[in-house]
Amino acid sequence: GESVGLHLPTLSVQEGDNSIINCAYSNSASDYFIWYKQESGKGPQFIIDIRSNMDKRQGQRVTVLLNKTVKHLSLQIAATQPGDSAVYFCAEHSGGYQKVTFGTGTKLQVIP
Amino acid sequence: GAGVSQSPSNKVTEKGKDVELRCDPISGHTALYWYRQSLGQGLEFLIYFQGNSAPDKSGLPSDRFSAERTGGSVSTLTIQRTQQEDSAVYLCASSLRSPDNSPLHFGNGTRLTVT
Repeated sequence: GESVGLHLPTLSVQEGDNSIINCAYSNSASDYFIWYKQESGKGPQFIIDIRSNMDKRQGQRVTVLLNKTVKHLSLQIAATQPGDSAVYFCAEHSGGYQKVTFGTGTKLQVIP
Repeated sequence: GAGVSQSPSNKVTEKGKDVELRCDPISGHTALYWYRQSLGQGLEFLIYFQGNSAPDKSGLPSDRFSAERTGGSVSTLTIQRTQQEDSAVYLCASSLRSPDNSPLHFGNGTRLTVT
């Protein structure tokens, strides 16, 4: 079936460096993508989204890149801080129905 | 404003007992989802409600699992005759509308432990 997957299950980054978290998706009909951050003991929280008619979107210290040719999504975090330590999930929506599929997640560890 | 509220936050039950988990979505959100998350794992889709439409129950793992949403607002997930493999965090989320895509807003989940 369709799935969303992540290349890197864990990522350790020095504080102040930039982080890049990658995601591969397999449903070419997906037209909306979201990155969520999940801290320990909490539910996932929305970080940033992007629609399929865009290839880049920037937020505060975060950027999402979408490459539809290779069905790849990435989340870039600038100047990574200890508070960024969490599990990050990408998720995809297929048009017309919000049965949202999540990947297995990448754990980001920030080294002080 | 208030976010998605789930209760209880923790539930310990004996194998074979029934449990009910409650979700209060954000007011005005017409779409409501239940997911299950095992320790260190991703989110497993269980069920989706949208307005007055028939729910998508395709993710429910067995007939021991059921869910309802009353009055288009509060939802209850019921697990009958619980098994140890049901131990997980059960997450509820709501979103503003469908089919126009919008982010999901999650509660903090109910951690279920079946002994």
